[in-house]
Parts: sequence; C-alpha cells; structure tokens
Amino acid sequence: GAGVSQTPSNKVTEKGKYVELRCDPISGHTALYWYRQSLGQGPEFLIYFQGTGAADDSGLPNDRFFAVRPEGSVSTLKIQRTERGDSAVYLCASSAPRGELAGGPDTGELFFGEGSRLTVL
Amino acid sequence: QKEVEQNSGPLSVPEGAIASLNCTYSDRGSQSFFWYRQYSGKSPELIMFIYSNGDKEDGRFTAQLNKASQYVSLLIRDSQPSDSATYLCAVYNFNKFYFGSGTKLNVKP
Repeated sequence: GAGVSQTPSNKVTEKGKYVELRCDPISGHTALYWYRQSLGQGPEFLIYFQGTGAADDSGLPNDRFFAVRPEGSVSTLKIQRTERGDSAVYLCASSAPRGELAGGPDTGELFFGEGSRLTVL
Repeated sequence: QKEVEQNSGPLSVPEGAIASLNCTYSDRGSQSFFWYRQYSGKSPELIMFIYSNGDKEDGRFTAQLNKASQYVSLLIRDSQPSDSATYLCAVYNFNKFYFGSGTKLNVKP
C-alpha cells in the first residue's frame, strides 16, 4: 500500500488480557517507530527499529511491552497483562533513510499510520 | 523538564489573520525540527521541517528556528477555518523524534 497501515484500528480488551498491534510500513522505509498518544498529549516515543533490530527501546514503559520486526518490514507491538492505563492510541510511523541535513530528498520525516485505539476495560 | 514544550492553547484567531505557534526544546544538540498538524481523531501529518537557523517559507506557512534560544515557531498566514487543528512540534535527536503536547488552533470564520 501507499501509506503506513495499522491493524486493528480499534481494540477493546479486558484488563489482564494480551494484545497485539500490527504495523505495515511504507515499502522501502527502513526505520519504524512506535508511539503512544493519550488524549490531549503529544505522541510519546516507545521504540525504534532500524531494519530488523530494535535500535532503541528506551520508551517502552515496562516489561509488559515488547515489539518485533522479524523481517525488517511488518512490526508487531505486543502488550501482556494489559492494564487500564495502557488505553491510548498506538501510532506507528516509518521513515526513509535520512539524507543530508541540508534538506535532501530524504528528510527523515515520519509518516504515520492511522493508529490503533486500544481500550482496556 | 520535557524535551519539547508547547502552549496547549487553544489559540483562537479570526479567519484571514496570522496564527503564531511556538515551541521550545531542551536539548541543544537537537538536529532537526518538524511541525505536524493533527486533526481530531486523525494521525499527525507533516507540514514543514527546518534544519538551519532562520526562516523557511512554504506557501502560507513559515517555520522559524533560533538554535541559540532553542526556539521554533510556525506562522500561518491568511488562516482558514480548515487550519483548525492541533499543531505538534517535533524535535529529532539521535534517532528519536520528541513531540510536544501540541497547541490547539481555532480559526473562527
């Protein structure tokens, strides 16, 4: 597809359940980011992949959160033992390789998917 | 201290006026700066990016960067009701984009 695709768009689950959120980035984008956005807040960084590896997972709030990108394309964010506080919109974004900072064709901008709204009851 | 600070607003301007949105950032080593627009219930979309000190213009939008003051701004000329949205300032630093909490802009017809 032309853009970043996220599924499901909405997920309602019960406290304690396990959820998986999927992201299919723009073809050719090597960088993939997961963000979490709560109402009235800006996106909060969770994890960044460059290719298959998690280059920076410092934003994951605790060990209930885990993400994979086994083939360097599709990524899955996994949340174990969900809590009500996990309710938010989970945004995935991808980015092309960064060009020169002077403003080459690859600016490194993030292209966002439409998000997965997670509600934990 | 948050990495990126924005006034949450709402900022209300009449149609046709100039809207001025401001952002400060804490890490002096930040490399590049982005303004995203987010409509309610939608995902952020890029408006402009800026790397160098000074002004950068694109249509009705002008981004301004002052690295010495660690300050980024976005000016929207001839504001339209369709510009009503939340504007997110993002700062890129060491492979991460840090976002402010956004400023809500209301353009009144």
